[in-house]
Amino acid sequence: AQSVAQPEDQVNVAEGNPLTVKCTYSVSGNPYLFWYVQYPNRGLQFLLKYITGDNLVKGSYGFEAEFNKSQTSFHLKKPSALVSDSALYFCAVREYNYGQNFVFGPGTRLSVLP
Amino acid sequence: DVKVTQSSRYLVKRTGEKVFLECVQDMDHENMFWYRQDPGLGLRLIYFSYDVKMKEKGDIPEGYSVSREKKERFSLILESASTNQTSMYLCASSLASGRTDTQYFGPGTRLTVL
Repeated sequence: AQSVAQPEDQVNVAEGNPLTVKCTYSVSGNPYLFWYVQYPNRGLQFLLKYITGDNLVKGSYGFEAEFNKSQTSFHLKKPSALVSDSALYFCAVREYNYGQNFVFGPGTRLSVLP
Repeated sequence: DVKVTQSSRYLVKRTGEKVFLECVQDMDHENMFWYRQDPGLGLRLIYFSYDVKMKEKGDIPEGYSVSREKKERFSLILESASTNQTSMYLCASSLASGRTDTQYFGPGTRLTVL
């Protein structure tokens, strides 16, 4: 079965500092991994995805994520946080050859302090 | 840009009422999904549809049904609303051309059942 963990409910970071939002996953086969962001009272917006190839994936708004197969992790990163990055972040996994469903993590709330 | 719209942003219903949530996408996507989002639980899949008149149960289908009579429209039905169905409901759509495809989300409907 597929599962996703986001070990931190809340991450606080000062504006201008680097940020990391953690995600670990469990699948039987090869994973497809996604990050989404949700701003208040909005739906989810796609940030980036890992399918295959380079372990470092670049996405929207200056975000990137690193796929680490040995640690089964897909942490989201940004070199310099903005106050406008404050939002709820979801990691999701889909297992190759396991249908069309995503499994989402519980979400991590990021607060960037001015 | 893909656009996924949902019929209501906020909805208040009484216990026992029949509730219809509508979702429309304008990108000719084959797949459509209904999720509910609850704090600390992330997104949980209720139902999805991979073609007109086709549907499959997700992780939490009990108390819900769906209808897909046209490709662009996917409806979620609560036959007899209960207070434990108070939640944020999110609709999503994606192409069926491969299992790597991104899901695009609507803005969500916040349903309160009194």
